[in-house]
Amino acid sequence: EVQLVESGGGLVKPGRSLRLSCTTSGFTFGDYAMSWFRQAPGKGLEWVGFVRSKTYGGTTEYAASVKGKFTISRDDSKSIAYLQMNSLKTEDTAVYYCTRYSGWQFDYWGQGTLVTVSS
Amino acid sequence: DIQMTQSPSSLSASVGDRVTITCRASQSISRYLNWYRKKAGEAPNLLIYNASILQSGVPSRFSGSGSGTDFTLTIISLQPEDFATYYCQQSHSVPITFGQGTRLEIK
Repeated sequence: EVQLVESGGGLVKPGRSLRLSCTTSGFTFGDYAMSWFRQAPGKGLEWVGFVRSKTYGGTTEYAASVKGKFTISRDDSKSIAYLQMNSLKTEDTAVYYCTRYSGWQFDYWGQGTLVTVSS
Repeated sequence: DIQMTQSPSSLSASVGDRVTITCRASQSISRYLNWYRKKAGEAPNLLIYNASILQSGVPSRFSGSGSGTDFTLTIISLQPEDFATYYCQQSHSVPITFGQGTRLEIK
């Protein structure tokens, strides 16, 4: 059974950093790109970025709203994807979801982890 | 960036009804269009990918069609669990973008 579990969310002050983890099981992690999304309170879904598999260079793509501030990485030996978030602002408050990117669709999602940026 | 526009933004229907949601892309995205159902407090659930392919495990009352810029999601015989928000999403090019969502409510 494919499972994705996010962790690392919580309350953080503006300007601080936070790292989210996405621990996976049930599939060959290294074969897939992994992506992060978020949903701010009362808003729609927003793509954050993704990291390609090593087969495709392990390169990353980001939304303009987080480029230069957030970094996505992966550890294939542990089947974990990470989202490093720096210089956090109140507008980064959201539930963050980790997903598997299969072909051209995001087929499995974690349950989400809430990040609240507030002083 | 490719803009995705869904209509309607909200919709009221009854259990057993048939509903259709449309999604329009600002430029051609071929068939790189996915549909998700999002219930409050839960993760999104992939329903349809590549415009018309039913994701494994998704009931056959869901169907999708379209190509290029215009797409539809149809749900026949609505069930109680279908009252949720639906999003279309394009994977044609980065940045990945979503429609604003269609909230499906019980009449």
